[in-house]
Amino acid sequence: DGGITQSPKYLFRKEGQNVTLSCEQNLNHDAMYWYRQDPGQGLRLIYYSQIVNDFQKGDIAEGYSVSREKKESFPLTVTSAQKNPTAFYLCATIRVPGATGELFFGEGSRLTVL
Amino acid sequence: QKEVEQDPGPLSVPEGAIVSLNCTYSNSAFQYFMWYRQYSRKGPELLMYTYSSGNKEDGRFTAQVDKSSKYISLFIRDSQPSDSATYLCAMTNLKAAGNKLTFGGGTRVLVKP
Repeated sequence: DGGITQSPKYLFRKEGQNVTLSCEQNLNHDAMYWYRQDPGQGLRLIYYSQIVNDFQKGDIAEGYSVSREKKESFPLTVTSAQKNPTAFYLCATIRVPGATGELFFGEGSRLTVL
Repeated sequence: QKEVEQDPGPLSVPEGAIVSLNCTYSNSAFQYFMWYRQYSRKGPELLMYTYSSGNKEDGRFTAQVDKSSKYISLFIRDSQPSDSATYLCAMTNLKAAGNKLTFGGGTRVLVKP
């Protein structure tokens, strides 16, 4: 079945450590996104990529980094520079750039900083 | 002030009742309006999608957009316990870089048997 796989589902990190969240899709979608979700704040865009080897900052990119070496994969690294990294992270895709609105989401990764 | 406002709830209704959800927004450039449903510890899934003003119906769900008032609504008829979830409104326009969506904070809905 086609879909978006995020791993790990739950992750604990000590302060000062970098962690990488995986996002893999087999939908053959061009654009991929990373959103962060905090209680009561809705989803906020971290980074997005519309084609391989290209990505753009979203609204809250500070303290995060990404890469897009393959169409299927868009990993997110939460660096030690991110001051408040505890959150629910969601990866999403859209079939083609310009197709408005219909994002497909993975099941999310919950990161907790101890 | 947030660009999209949504009452966080929780909204508790008995099974079979009509659930009424809404969002207000400030950016008059928004043209595309969506409702996503999110179950606990899961990713959101698209429920309804509307372009510009008007109504759209899909089964038990009706979405309404009033651009003049900057107000959108979602109605769920004959609500079921399986409708218990958080409902997120989202919106965008053609000029949004990267098809960025702007989300409301979500309303938690609980349908009691």
